[in-house]
Amino acid sequence: EVQLVESGGDLVQPGESLRLSCAASGFMFSDYPMNWVRQAPGKGLEWVSHISTDGGIYYADSVKGRFTISRDDAKDSLYLQMNSLRDEDTAIYYCARDINWVFNAWGQGTLVTVSS
Amino acid sequence: QSALTQPASVSGSPGQSITISCTGTNSDIGNHNHVSWYQQHPGEAPKALVYEVSERPSGVSIRFSGSKSGNTASLTISGLQTEDEADYYCCSYGGIYSFWVFGGGTKVTVL
Repeated sequence: EVQLVESGGDLVQPGESLRLSCAASGFMFSDYPMNWVRQAPGKGLEWVSHISTDGGIYYADSVKGRFTISRDDAKDSLYLQMNSLRDEDTAIYYCARDINWVFNAWGQGTLVTVSS
Repeated sequence: QSALTQPASVSGSPGQSITISCTGTNSDIGNHNHVSWYQQHPGEAPKALVYEVSERPSGVSIRFSGSKSGNTASLTISGLQTEDEADYYCCSYGGIYSFWVFGGGTKVTVL
């Protein structure tokens, strides 16, 4: 069974940093591009970042220069380093696997709250 | 990276068909067939319903169908059921500068 389990969400103050993790199981992690997608409370989905199997990386303009996506295929894990956090970064952060141009597996999400 | 445009809400009675539109630009929907749709029930993660405009992942009901014309994609739900009450999101590849872009979401209500 494909499983994605996010962790690392917390309450932090504006300007602080946080690192999210996503543990994958049930599939060959190294074969799949991965993404982070977030959802602010009561709002819609927003794509955050993508990392391909060969290390190609893309970011949404809203996080470019502040967030860094990475993966460790030996540990079947995806990461999101978030620096200079802002109030508007408050959201549930989902990791999502994409194949054939669709997010076909999602984690349950981890909540990041940025507030003073 | 502007969001795709969806109606905020759509409603229908059980058994009816409804269609949700998703309007983008020549840079995303109009330039690619990499359009997908997701269903999200409250408190749950999204679930893929359609990909590549009109393909259904294994296990998704044939009541869900997708199409595209120009810069607008559409999701049709046939034979509306109470369990279809949820939020629905479209998504399109936006090229190397936008990569992925989602719609704002549509709340479907079964009357």
